[in-house]
Amino acid sequence: QVTLKESGPVLVKPTETLTLTCTVSGFSLNNARMGVSWIRQPPGKALEWLAHIFSNDEKSYSTSLKSRLTITKDTSKSQVVLTMTNMDPVDTATYYCARISSSSWSVGDWFDPWGQGTLVTVSS
Amino acid sequence: DIQMTQSPSSLSASVADRVTITCRASQSISNYLNWYQQKPGKAPKLLIYAASNLQSGVPSRFSGSGSGTDFTLTISSLQPEDFATYYCQQSYSTPWTFGQGTKVEIK
Repeated sequence: QVTLKESGPVLVKPTETLTLTCTVSGFSLNNARMGVSWIRQPPGKALEWLAHIFSNDEKSYSTSLKSRLTITKDTSKSQVVLTMTNMDPVDTATYYCARISSSSWSVGDWFDPWGQGTLVTVSS
Repeated sequence: DIQMTQSPSSLSASVADRVTITCRASQSISNYLNWYQQKPGKAPKLLIYAASNLQSGVPSRFSGSGSGTDFTLTISSLQPEDFATYYCQQSYSTPWTFGQGTKVEIK
């Protein structure tokens, strides 16, 4: 069974750096074309894709947040870590990690499954 | 970045109604389009991938169609458990992007 679980601080202060960890099980981050994305959702608002990392260490970031984001992986710990610098109250959101899935008979990639999400509040 | 626009933003419907949600991309994305369902307080769940492929375990009343810039999610007979928010998402090019969501409410 594939599962992902997010962990990190519940509360961060403005200007601080947020570090979130996604711990995966049921699949290996070493497998070919295996990837994990981070996605966030401010309260009552839409989903926003943040970043992804693949097994070959290919990375991509949101255009608007690129300067503040870093994504890394530790395959030995089955973890993907997202750091976001200079946090602001507008970054208050539920942060999800999700496995990037694909198939040999179909195009594209999709998110399945998702972690349960972790709510991060930015406030002094 | 590719912009994804869903319509309507919300709709009211009754059980057994046929419901259609539209997603439009700002440029052609072939069929690199996925649909998700999200219930309050829960993580999104994959419904449809690559525009028209039903994810395993998803009821057959859900279907997807379209290619290029225009896509549709159809629920053939709305059930009580289908009241939720639905999102489209493109994986044609990074940064991957979501639509703003369509909330399906009880009439």
